[in-house]
Amino acid sequence: NAGVTQTPKFRVLKTGQSMTLLCAQDMNHEYMYWYRQDPGMGLRLIHYSVGEGTTAKGEVPDGYNVSRLKKQNFLLGLESAAPSQTSVYFCASSPGPNSYEQYFGPGTRLTVT
Amino acid sequence: DQQVKQNSPSLSVQEGRISILNCDYTNSMFDYFLWYKKYPAEGPTFLISISSIKDKNEDGRFTVFLNKSAKHLSLHIVPSQPGDSAVYFCAASALNRDDKIIFGKGTRLHILP
Repeated sequence: NAGVTQTPKFRVLKTGQSMTLLCAQDMNHEYMYWYRQDPGMGLRLIHYSVGEGTTAKGEVPDGYNVSRLKKQNFLLGLESAAPSQTSVYFCASSPGPNSYEQYFGPGTRLTVT
Repeated sequence: DQQVKQNSPSLSVQEGRISILNCDYTNSMFDYFLWYKKYPAEGPTFLISISSIKDKNEDGRFTVFLNKSAKHLSLHIVPSQPGDSAVYFCAASALNRDDKIIFGKGTRLHILP
């Protein structure tokens, strides 16, 4: 099992460009999450999904959109990138209700210039 | 407001000694607590957890203590080893939160030779 994978690993964008980060998991997990990690800020939840076709806002959702068309995939979109979105993005998944342990991907380092 | 607080950004401990990482929380609804470990350029990995019905959970060299009255938990690593050098995130969750977990900002542990 690959676990949780993220594509791409690195990306540099210019302000105003758009991009999509892909997260895939092969553990048949129901729940999936997108976090961003910034220096001194820990991990902050952007959006999450409790099942195929569902999404919900987390702590810092502004400027991002997500989609969960297939159970195994969770996409994070930036429609118009801003320098404030320079960060490391982590995807995670968990089995479902009352399963607190989350499994994380390796991260995507995004720089917006 | 910061619901999960790790007040020590970094900690240095001699190899072979005990490492104690501390975490405080403010939300009395939290009923499950986790510690994650993160190496550079990797995603966080689950280390150990504790339910609010317990006050101690042990797994090999790692022990987590929970003091509900003080809203405080700590992670003890004995003996500390070089491979323990990493960032440690404290996290907490509550029932009916769609299994969202709230992370602290992390403590960087340096194990000195």
